[in-house]
Formats: sequence, C-alpha cells, structure tokens
Amino acid sequence: GAGVSQSPSNKVTEKGKDVELRCDPISGHTALYWYRQRLGQGLEFLIYFQGNSAPDKSGLPSDRFSAERTGESVSTLTIQRTQQEDSAVYLCASSFRRSTEAFFGQGTRLTVV
Amino acid sequence: GESVGLHLPTLSVQEGDNSIINCAYSNSASDYFIWYKQESGKGPQFIIDIRSNMDKRQGQRVTVLLNKTVKHLSLQIAATQPGDSAVYFCAETGGSYIPTFGRGTSLIVHP
Repeated sequence: GAGVSQSPSNKVTEKGKDVELRCDPISGHTALYWYRQRLGQGLEFLIYFQGNSAPDKSGLPSDRFSAERTGESVSTLTIQRTQQEDSAVYLCASSFRRSTEAFFGQGTRLTVV
Repeated sequence: GESVGLHLPTLSVQEGDNSIINCAYSNSASDYFIWYKQESGKGPQFIIDIRSNMDKRQGQRVTVLLNKTVKHLSLQIAATQPGDSAVYFCAETGGSYIPTFGRGTSLIVHP
C-alpha cells in the first residue's frame, strides 16, 4: 500500500501477557517513529529509528518496552508483561528522511484487561 | 487557558467562519514545524509544515504563521467546514529530529 500500515488494528490482552505490534512504513522512508496516545491526550514519543543508526530509545517508559527495525522496513514494538496502564493507541510514523513530514498509520488500539 | 485531565482546549466555530488554532512551542532550537489533523479513530494526518527560515506559509484554505520571537505557531483555516472538525496538533522538531507534539486543540464546526 501507499501509506503506513499497522497491525493489528485492535488488540485485547490479559494483564501480564506479552504483545507485539507491527508497523510497515512507506517504502523508501528511512525514519520511523513510535508514539503512544492515551485517550484524549497528545502523542508521547517512544522510539525513533533512522536508517542503520542506533535507535533513539529515550522515550521508552520502562524496560518492558522494546522495538526493532529490520533495515529500512518493518518495525515491531514489543511490550512484555503488559499492565493496565499500557492501554492506549500505539501509533507508528515514517518519513523520507529526518526533519521532513512524518506520515502516520491508523494505530493499534491496545486494551489490557 | 490550560485544561486539565482529559479535556482538550476546544474551539467552536460556525460553518463558513475562519478558525485560528494556536500553539506555543518550547524549544528555541526547533527549526521545523508541522500541523496535523486527527479525526476520531484515525492516525494524525499531515496538513502543512513550515521551516524556521519562514514566518508564513499558505496551503489550500490553510495558513501557518510562525513567530520565533515568542515561540508561537498558529494555523488559520479559511471558510471552516464541518469536515474540518477534528483535533489539531502542532509538532516541533529540533536537533533530536524527533517531532514533539503539543496537547492538541479540538475544533468543533457547527453547521
């Protein structure tokens, strides 16, 4: 597709389980970002990948959160031992290069019960 | 003024009016700014951007103004339509190359 694709669109999981969220960026985009958005709130930065450089993980809220990116393609965000406060929409964005417009996917709505 | 909890700042306008949404940014080193529109249940959608070497940029029905002296950004929407109803976010990018988002403003357009 032409846009950023995220899967699944919705995920309900039990507290304590691990979840994996997937992001397919726009082809050719070197920069990829993950954000978290709680209900009615703004976007909270989680992690940034730029090409083959080491990712900027400064936004990850705890060591339960991790992300990987294979080259300049797919990225996965993993949350281990999920907690109820992890419930949010997780948004992925990509841009052609840094400091150009970032295009967002539709997000994955995660609900931890 | 600032809202607390889950309540976003809200701007209510009549269809056909012009809307102005404001944003104060924090980092004087930021050199790239974007406005996004987010409709319910969707990801943010790019509207318009501006770099710090400019103070005004126009698109289709939208204008962004940048005042670096007071670190203020505004989005003007001409002839606002019901389809413009959404939450609008400004984002600033500086040396870290990571877009940092403001709280958002909810725009409600009454037919």
